[in-house]
Amino acid sequence: DAKTTQPPSMDCAEGRAANLPCNHSTISGNEYVYWYRQIHSQGPQYIIHGLKNNETNEMASLIITEDRKSSTLILPHATLRDTAVYYCIVSLNNNDMRFGAGTRLTVKP
Amino acid sequence: GAVVSQHPSRVICKSGTSVKIECRSLDFQATTMFWYRQFPKQSLMLMATSNEGSKATYEQGVEKDKFLINHASLTLSTLTVTSAHPEDSSFYICSAPQRRTNEKLFFGSGTQLSVL
Repeated sequence: DAKTTQPPSMDCAEGRAANLPCNHSTISGNEYVYWYRQIHSQGPQYIIHGLKNNETNEMASLIITEDRKSSTLILPHATLRDTAVYYCIVSLNNNDMRFGAGTRLTVKP
Repeated sequence: GAVVSQHPSRVICKSGTSVKIECRSLDFQATTMFWYRQFPKQSLMLMATSNEGSKATYEQGVEKDKFLINHASLTLSTLTVTSAHPEDSSFYICSAPQRRTNEKLFFGSGTQLSVL
């Protein structure tokens, strides 16, 4: 059972920021929020993860609400190569990654 | 960065034959590896957890005699689909956590199995 809810699809214009929401209202205090993405017919790719604080790396930023019941993945300048299915996963650690339906992001020129 | 290599990337076999898929961690050791299955337009479903030197742990509904998992070394796990049937046709993906950071899973590129 996925512990997260994501919109099934989103569009974004190339060069603009892509903001992908995720609801995880039943998250427990020691569970992390992980984001992965899967480009068609490939294995998933790790993007970012966080516990309470906002996180940023070379790929994206993760904004977690204060009550931790939702989060947003931000791709600051989306490119066509960012078109993929994005998965938000809540887990204690990386030993129990269960994928929900994800959000299919389409970046359009 | 750490790499997980999966082989073959694509296999076509006849119904009733067995197919072996290999998953290797190339520059790190993995005491645990995970096997997923993905049907078209669906999400990844965890099939089993492969443990080095011990028996694999299977998810509910996954037949252990059908999907044989062997994790004989710290860098290699294999999944054998025995007596494959057309309904076993799927995209199989392995993954492994990098022990040093224990922060992320690295995924193989997947194996597309087609059973005729």
